[in-house]
Amino acid sequence: DVKVTQSSRYLVKRTGEKVFLECVQDMDHENMFWYRQDPGLGLRLIYFSYDVKMKEKGDIPEGYSVSREKKERFSLILESASTNQTSMYLCASSFGLNYGYTFGSGTRLTVV
Amino acid sequence: GENVEQHPSTLSVQEGDSAVIKCTYSDSASNYFPWYKQELGKRPQLIIDIRSNVGEKKDQRIAVTLNKTAKHFSLHITETQPEDSAVYFCAASRRNTPLVFGKGTRLSVIA
Repeated sequence: DVKVTQSSRYLVKRTGEKVFLECVQDMDHENMFWYRQDPGLGLRLIYFSYDVKMKEKGDIPEGYSVSREKKERFSLILESASTNQTSMYLCASSFGLNYGYTFGSGTRLTVV
Repeated sequence: GENVEQHPSTLSVQEGDSAVIKCTYSDSASNYFPWYKQELGKRPQLIIDIRSNVGEKKDQRIAVTLNKTAKHFSLHITETQPEDSAVYFCAASRRNTPLVFGKGTRLSVIA
């Protein structure tokens, strides 16, 4: 069974902390994505990557950065966590940018 | 860029009735339109998709229709069952761009 695995299901961090969210896929997909899910706002794209070491900003990149050193791993970094970054974060991967995505189970991050 | 509007935001139907969720998109170059189902506490999962060279696609009780001229597409669920209760997301993208999602529809099927 193909999988996208997010390292943490729940995280609680303090304001100002540096936070790393990790995502690993085992499907040899070129493309990986980080979305943020908030009630009433749907899924909003933070960053995506179409190749190792390549990254592109999505719709809401402010306050975030990403790293893709290996094909299977895509990390989301909150340089200095703030309370407005409390959210559900979903990682996804796909064969192509406009093909079906496989999502991870999500990381619910709470910043206090 | 692309903008996807989804309606309604909530929908309640009696078990056995049909449910229809509609989405409109803004970019006439968009050519891929998937639908995702997210059950409570679970990840979104692709349930059906359609490309712009096709007007309709069916898979058992679910179907998607696409009207390129009007720039809208719809999800149809027939003979609804309690396990169809979930949040449904539509999305759209053009070639070589990521999916843009609608804000979701919470479907409740009442037994």
